[in-house]
Amino acid sequence: AAGVIQSPRHLIKEKRETATLKCYPIPRHDTVYWYQQGPGQDPQFLISFYEKMQSDKGSIPDRFSAQQFSDYHSELNMSSLELGDSALYFCASSSPFGLAGVADTQYFGPGTRLTVL
Amino acid sequence: TQLLEQSPQFLSIQEGENLTVYCNSSSVFSSLQWYRQEPGEGPVLLVTVVTGGEVKKLKRLTFQFGDARKDSSLHITAAQPGDTGLYLCAGYSGGSNYKLTFGKGTLLTVNP
Repeated sequence: AAGVIQSPRHLIKEKRETATLKCYPIPRHDTVYWYQQGPGQDPQFLISFYEKMQSDKGSIPDRFSAQQFSDYHSELNMSSLELGDSALYFCASSSPFGLAGVADTQYFGPGTRLTVL
Repeated sequence: TQLLEQSPQFLSIQEGENLTVYCNSSSVFSSLQWYRQEPGEGPVLLVTVVTGGEVKKLKRLTFQFGDARKDSSLHITAAQPGDTGLYLCAGYSGGSNYKLTFGKGTLLTVNP
């Protein structure tokens, strides 16, 4: 079965640079979520989109922005990168009708490891 | 802010032993999901529980959702080294709030 695709898998940037992370949800999933996971931490919710509209916002810095496109893929844009932005960034997708009729079961991608030097 | 408390945080056992991981909250969740995560990889969904009192089995794993939908447990029977990993519970509060709230995770090590 198709899973969530994220690219790139690894990214190394310098401080103050910008980065763009991409997420391709499971086919027919219309909701995308972004999470940030620091070393030894649990995933922290950043932002989500439903049908190309922002649906919820978590602890996302103002330096970050995201959008969902007409084909439902999403991009997380990160500017003025800081050392503390180094983390694993996960994208998850869900469908309103989910697994066995359960709404909003989220399926995670393999993540993008961002390292800021 | 809704919080999920997972316990224990770390667990190291011998192959063949049984174990239980707990996930507790003071808040009600409309559904709760259990994930297993390998280092550097994304969380992989194990199960979603929705109904209070629900019990789901996945081979040697048994998941239970509390009657009040505030707590859940994961029981592993006859643990194997391949069960080693980080087990995360995550709750969805429903309504217009689409985000998952994660517990801190239980890092399980099963020694051969």
